[in-house]
Amino acid sequence: NAGVTQTPKFQVLKTGQSMTLQCAQDMNHEYMSWYRQDPGMGLRLIHYSVGAGITDQGEVPNGYNVSRSTTEDFPLRLLSAAPSQTSVYFCASSYGTNEKLFFGSGTQLSVL
Amino acid sequence: GENVEQHPSTLSVQEGDSAVIKCTYSDSASNYFPWYKQELGKRPQLIIDIRSNVGEKKDQRIAVTLNKTAKHFSLHITETQPEDSAVYFCAARKAGGGNKLTFGTGTQLKVEL
Repeated sequence: NAGVTQTPKFQVLKTGQSMTLQCAQDMNHEYMSWYRQDPGMGLRLIHYSVGAGITDQGEVPNGYNVSRSTTEDFPLRLLSAAPSQTSVYFCASSYGTNEKLFFGSGTQLSVL
Repeated sequence: GENVEQHPSTLSVQEGDSAVIKCTYSDSASNYFPWYKQELGKRPQLIIDIRSNVGEKKDQRIAVTLNKTAKHFSLHITETQPEDSAVYFCAARKAGGGNKLTFGTGTQLKVEL
């Protein structure tokens, strides 16, 4: 049981490049979400999903896309990276929408 | 939307002393309040949580109190140890709002020998 797994751990992009941050969980959790963490700002919700085929926007969705084709995976796509997207990204999941939220180990992204 | 304010931003205590971190929330519909601990370079880890039908919850040296009327909740750590040094985040979740947490801005706790 690996929990919530994120890849890669570190990534450097140039402005305008695209990439996908991967998130997978093996706990059969229905709910998955993406947060970004910036110094002095806590964690802010980007997108979330309450089940396969269902996604919705969080507090800071601009510049990011998500999809949920399986229960296990919830990738986050940056279509055209900008320096403002330099951050640490955390994927989190829970069994249901009223349950405890568990975080992955994070992806540190730098956009130059 | 929900707004969570957290104080203080930094807290330094001597080993063995108590530490208290306070949060306020704005949305009276919020009914779940977790606390996360994040060590440097690591993921946030849930350490304790409380629901709005409970006023206090304790787990060994850690306790959380909730005042729904004032929209305040606090984390209390007693007999602090060096391994308690970390950043602590409070959060709030609204009833019926999925599992969307709104986080405070964090408190850097340093426990000095």
